[in-house]
Amino acid sequence: AQSVTQLGSHVSVSEGALVLLRCNYSSSVPPYLFWYVQYPNQGLQLLLKYTSAATLVKGINGFEAEFKKSETSFHLTKPSAHMSDAAEYFCAVSGSNDYKLSFGAGTTVTVRA
Amino acid sequence: KAGVTQTPRYLIKTRGQQVTLSCSPISGHRSVSWYQQTPGQGLQFLFEYFSETQRNKGNFPGRFSGRQFSNSRSEMNVSTLELGDSALYLCASSLDSAGAQETQYFGPGTRLLVL
Repeated sequence: AQSVTQLGSHVSVSEGALVLLRCNYSSSVPPYLFWYVQYPNQGLQLLLKYTSAATLVKGINGFEAEFKKSETSFHLTKPSAHMSDAAEYFCAVSGSNDYKLSFGAGTTVTVRA
Repeated sequence: KAGVTQTPRYLIKTRGQQVTLSCSPISGHRSVSWYQQTPGQGLQFLFEYFSETQRNKGNFPGRFSGRQFSNSRSEMNVSTLELGDSALYLCASSLDSAGAQETQYFGPGTRLLVL
């Protein structure tokens, strides 16, 4: 069964600083990996996804993630944080025949002015 | 294109009652999934439907059930509500033309409060 672990439930960064959110996956087969963002009182919005086409994946709003098989990681980064990046971020994994997403516990990002 | 819509957005019920939540997927999407989100358990998969057939089910008691109609709209039902069923229920839809790698698009959710 596939699963993901997000390291750090809360991350606080200064505006303009690097945002780094960590996600490690556990899968016996090549997984499909996703990062979603959730703003207060809203559903989930896809930031980016990895489907084996390229190890460095670029997403919306300046976010990107790198798939590292040797480290079983799929960390999310953004070079310069903006106040609007304050939200909760979820890493998720899906297997080829799962027809479901398994989510990490989430990381709440706060951005300091 | 309109996004995933869920109705109602907010609901208050009492223990022992039952509730039905509705989800309309993005036009053309044939797969609909349901997730429960709580502060303690996080996001948990409930079930997934494709062409009116349940393809996968999460580890929830039989009180949780769902169905999908021929127009891909889906409903989920929770019977004999318990306090622990208070949660945000999220619906997601996808084209499913490429299988599990398809992006799931989420609705805004239905927030259920059980008193």
